[in-house]
Amino acid sequence: GAVVSQHPSRVICKSGTSVKIECRSLDFQATTMFWYRQFPKQSLMLMATSNEGSKATYEQGVEKDKFLINHASLTLSTLTVTSAHPEDSSFYICSARGETNSYEQYFGPGTRLTVT
Amino acid sequence: GQNIDQPTEMTATEGAIVQINCTYQTSGFNGLFWYQQHAGEAPTFLSYNVLDGLEEKGRFSSFLSRSKGYSYLLLKELQMKDSASYLCAVLEGDYKLSFGAGTTVTVRA
Repeated sequence: GAVVSQHPSRVICKSGTSVKIECRSLDFQATTMFWYRQFPKQSLMLMATSNEGSKATYEQGVEKDKFLINHASLTLSTLTVTSAHPEDSSFYICSARGETNSYEQYFGPGTRLTVT
Repeated sequence: GQNIDQPTEMTATEGAIVQINCTYQTSGFNGLFWYQQHAGEAPTFLSYNVLDGLEEKGRFSSFLSRSKGYSYLLLKELQMKDSASYLCAVLEGDYKLSFGAGTTVTVRA
């Protein structure tokens, strides 16, 4: 089956610093990748959608200058949380979609970000 | 926008059956997914329904009624490992998945 990895799995950073999270599709080419955020005991919320080689599309209320997304290749997307604050602490999950005629998204294992 | 409702918690005994309901209101409906999520892990795909009716896959079945904006996930012959959160997600348009808050199922011996 399709496998998506994320790195790191956990990260702790100080307030004001930036953190980069990588999302890779290991055995397929991901035409579209998605970034979600999940607060404890809450639903996954879509933050942005990225297609390889083009700018990401952000959901309403998500600051594009704070959450920088780069989808440089068909197997890699990165999310950079800039100038992180404690309220950015959350579980960040990416997903990837391969074939354009399939709606299924394959999820990565998630990254637990803690900002101190 | 989406309005997706599912119960917060359910408890059942090993070997029993549990049905998790999901109601939704949406525009541009293009199918409904059910995912299983263990704490601290990514969601894993269980089912996708786009047409009305019941889809059976082993111990898990999923039902959809588009006219009623209603779906359920049926878990049969419950096992301890089925203790997890179950997420109902509606696909709007080509790509946008909107998730419910999840139903935490606890299986007791």
